[in-house]
Amino acid sequence: AQSVAQPEDQVNVAEGNPLTVKCTYSVSGNPYLFWYVQYPNRGLQFLLKYITGDNLVKGSYGFEAEFNKSQTSFHLKKPSALVSDSALYFCAVRAQSGGSYIPTFGRGTSLIVHP
Amino acid sequence: NAGVTQTPKFRVLKTGQSMTLLCAQDMNHEYMYWYRQDPGMGLRLIHYSVGEGTTAKGEVPDGYNVSRLKKQNFLLGLESAAPSQTSVYFCASSYPPGRGDTGELFFGEGSRLTVL
Repeated sequence: AQSVAQPEDQVNVAEGNPLTVKCTYSVSGNPYLFWYVQYPNRGLQFLLKYITGDNLVKGSYGFEAEFNKSQTSFHLKKPSALVSDSALYFCAVRAQSGGSYIPTFGRGTSLIVHP
Repeated sequence: NAGVTQTPKFRVLKTGQSMTLLCAQDMNHEYMYWYRQDPGMGLRLIHYSVGEGTTAKGEVPDGYNVSRLKKQNFLLGLESAAPSQTSVYFCASSYPPGRGDTGELFFGEGSRLTVL
């Protein structure tokens, strides 16, 4: 069975500081990995994904994520946080082949960026 | 380009009443999903469909039924609503694997359901 863990319910960071939102996963074989963002009273929006290749993936709004196969992690990062980045962030995993093609989501991490 | 549209956006029901949530997508996606979102629980998959005329159970299917009579529509039904079904419901759609697409999901804006 595949699973995703987001160990922090909430991450607090000051505006202008770098931010990291953590995600670890478990899946059979090679993974597809995703980050989504949810602003208040909105649906989830796709941020970025890892399929294969370069371990550092760049996405929307200046976010990037680093895939680490040995640590089975896919942490979301941004060099300089904005107050407008405050939102709920979800990590998701799906098997590339075999197993379930249905993605599994983590419980979400609330990012709060303080002015 | 509407993407994924959910109706209604808000609904209040009394215990025992029935209702149907409608999800429509205009991206010709084969896969469609219904999730519920509750505080501290993240997203939990209720039912999903991998094509017209097919449905399958997800993580929390009890108390819900679904139908996919047309490719673009995925309906979620509550036959006898219970207070435990108070939640925000999200529909999503995606391409299947093997079509050159990696299957990221496209979400609707959500339907907030309160059962009294």
